[in-house]
Amino acid sequence: EAQVTQNPRYLITVTGKKLTVTCSQNMNHEYMSWYRQDPGLGLRQIYYSMNVEVTDKGDVPEGYKVSRKEKRNFPLILESPSPNQTSLYFCASSFFPGELFFGEGSRLTVL
Amino acid sequence: GNSVTQMEGPVTLSEEAFLTINCTYTATGYPSLFWYVQYPGEGLQLLLKATKADDKGSNKGFEATYRKETTSFHLEKGSVQVSDSAVYFCALSDLGSSNTGKLIFGQGTTLQVKP
Repeated sequence: EAQVTQNPRYLITVTGKKLTVTCSQNMNHEYMSWYRQDPGLGLRQIYYSMNVEVTDKGDVPEGYKVSRKEKRNFPLILESPSPNQTSLYFCASSFFPGELFFGEGSRLTVL
Repeated sequence: GNSVTQMEGPVTLSEEAFLTINCTYTATGYPSLFWYVQYPGEGLQLLLKATKADDKGSNKGFEATYRKETTSFHLEKGSVQVSDSAVYFCALSDLGSSNTGKLIFGQGTTLQVKP
């Protein structure tokens, strides 16, 4: 089954404790992206990757890092999480930028 | 810059009612337009798309027409069902203008359909 898999789905952590949200896709997509969803703001792009070893900032990259060492994986790293990063995070992928397949989301709470 | 504006929700309808969710956009160039749907507890799924002016996207009884003259992409369905209750997002792709492949989303419109 074609899918984008994110882990963890739910996480409660404390300020400053580094965490990684993993994302893996099994569709051989070149393009991958991370979004955060906040009430009243819709979805905003954090980072994206056009291909392996090629990543770039989206609209709200502050406080986040990504890497793309393999085509299928695109982890999101929060080096020192803060409460304003409490959000619902989505990983997405596609063959062509624009028509995205989304994961089920990771709900992160930073205390 | 590019942006998408959707009608505010929530929208509450009775089963079999007609649905319209308005979406207008601001963009340079010729973006592709999309509607995504998010069911409770799930990620977004592509519902339909249109890639050029006057294109009509359709899927599962939903339709939307790319109107360049009014910069709109309104979502319609003739007869909604309880199972259509979800959040609907209008989006545009900025591939033509900035080549980031970013989807720019509206705020989302919550639809609740009552039996």
